[in-house]
Amino acid sequence: EPEVTQTPSHQVTQMGQEVILRCVPISNHLYFYWYRQILGQKVEFLVSFYNNEISEKSEIFDDQFSVERPDGSNFTLKIRSTKLEDSAMYFCASSEWSGGETQYFGPGTRLLVL
Amino acid sequence: AQKITQTQPGMFVQEKEAVTLDCTYDTSDPSYGLFWYKQPSSGEMIFLIYQGSYDQQNATEGRYSLNFQKARKSANLVISASQLGDSAMYFCAMREVPGSSYKLIFGSGTRLLVRP
Repeated sequence: EPEVTQTPSHQVTQMGQEVILRCVPISNHLYFYWYRQILGQKVEFLVSFYNNEISEKSEIFDDQFSVERPDGSNFTLKIRSTKLEDSAMYFCASSEWSGGETQYFGPGTRLLVL
Repeated sequence: AQKITQTQPGMFVQEKEAVTLDCTYDTSDPSYGLFWYKQPSSGEMIFLIYQGSYDQQNATEGRYSLNFQKARKSANLVISASQLGDSAMYFCAMREVPGSSYKLIFGSGTRLLVRP
């Protein structure tokens, strides 16, 4: 069964460093999302991406964040200068189409900023 | 205002019994979707069940069923014949369809513990 994959599973970084989180969505999916979950809290939407551009972003997704689909398979989230409060689990999700289709989540990347 | 409310931070259930996890939602859009996800201690988010706002019948997937009461804006998850492996966090989520990117809005979750 096709699944969303994410790498790395865990990342530890120093405050101020750049991190890139990688995702490979399900191959025939067209809509891509990043969510984050701070430890013990609810899952929060960051950004959605369709047709090679951002379709919506949340207040959390400030200038420090960017997303890219560099080739036909990968979907990346970059945090330019990490802050302590960026420590969270980051989930990538994808769906085949938008109107009624389920979003399938990857296993997540646990990011720890020291 | 909270769009998705899960009022039970924690629940216990005896193995092999049924359990209902509550979820209420708030939207003025006529078209929306409701989802339940399971998050085990390992952290991944596992899709369980989906209910569309126009669906006439309650959704079912194996031991999971969704008790959808549109007028009351509730979408409770029912797990029948609980198993030890059902112990996890459960999140209710809503997707509003019109004019959005179809992002999911999550509730705060319910931690379910199945007792042997």
